[in-house]
Amino acid sequence: EAQVTQNPRYLITVTGKKLTVTCSQNMNHEYMSWYRQDPGLGLRQIYYSMNVEVTDKGDVPEGYKVSRKEKRNFPLILESPSPNQTSLYFCASSRRDRVLGGYTFGSGTRLTVV
Amino acid sequence: AQSVSQHNHHVILSEAASLELGCNYSYGGTVNLFWYVQYPGQHLQLLLKYFSGDPLVKGIKGFEAEFIKSKFSFNLRKPSVQWSDTAEYFCAALNNAGNMLTFGGGTRLMVKP
Repeated sequence: EAQVTQNPRYLITVTGKKLTVTCSQNMNHEYMSWYRQDPGLGLRQIYYSMNVEVTDKGDVPEGYKVSRKEKRNFPLILESPSPNQTSLYFCASSRRDRVLGGYTFGSGTRLTVV
Repeated sequence: AQSVSQHNHHVILSEAASLELGCNYSYGGTVNLFWYVQYPGQHLQLLLKYFSGDPLVKGIKGFEAEFIKSKFSFNLRKPSVQWSDTAEYFCAALNNAGNMLTFGGGTRLMVKP
């Protein structure tokens, strides 16, 4: 089944403890992206990647890192999480022909930083 | 920079009522517009999309949207809602480069049985 898989689904952590949220897609998509969803703000893009070893900042990149060493994986790294990073995170991927292909979203990771 | 705004944060309707959710965008280039739906506890799913051509776009589950260029709008409609349409709906615009999908703030729809 074609899908975007995120892990974990739920995570509670303490301020300052490094964490990684994984994202993997099995559709051979070139494009991958991370979003955070907050009430009333919709989804805001954190980082995106056009292909392997190519990443760029979205609207809200502060406090996050990403890497794209393989086409299928695009992990989101929080080096020193803070409470304002408590949010619902979505990974998305798309074919190079992004307009027609649309984005496929993962099931989300709900992160709480205490 | 492009932006997308959705006028209604919360909408409550009874079953069989008609639905229209507003969406306005601001972007100077070619517009690619989407509506996504997020059912409780689930990820976003694509309802419909507009790139060019017929401004009236039909999507899944009986939804449609009309692109009105002069009004910078892309409103979502459904003639008769069902309880199962209870969800949050997001309008989004994709930039020309295709690397940034900008979302509106979302509209929570509750349909009372």
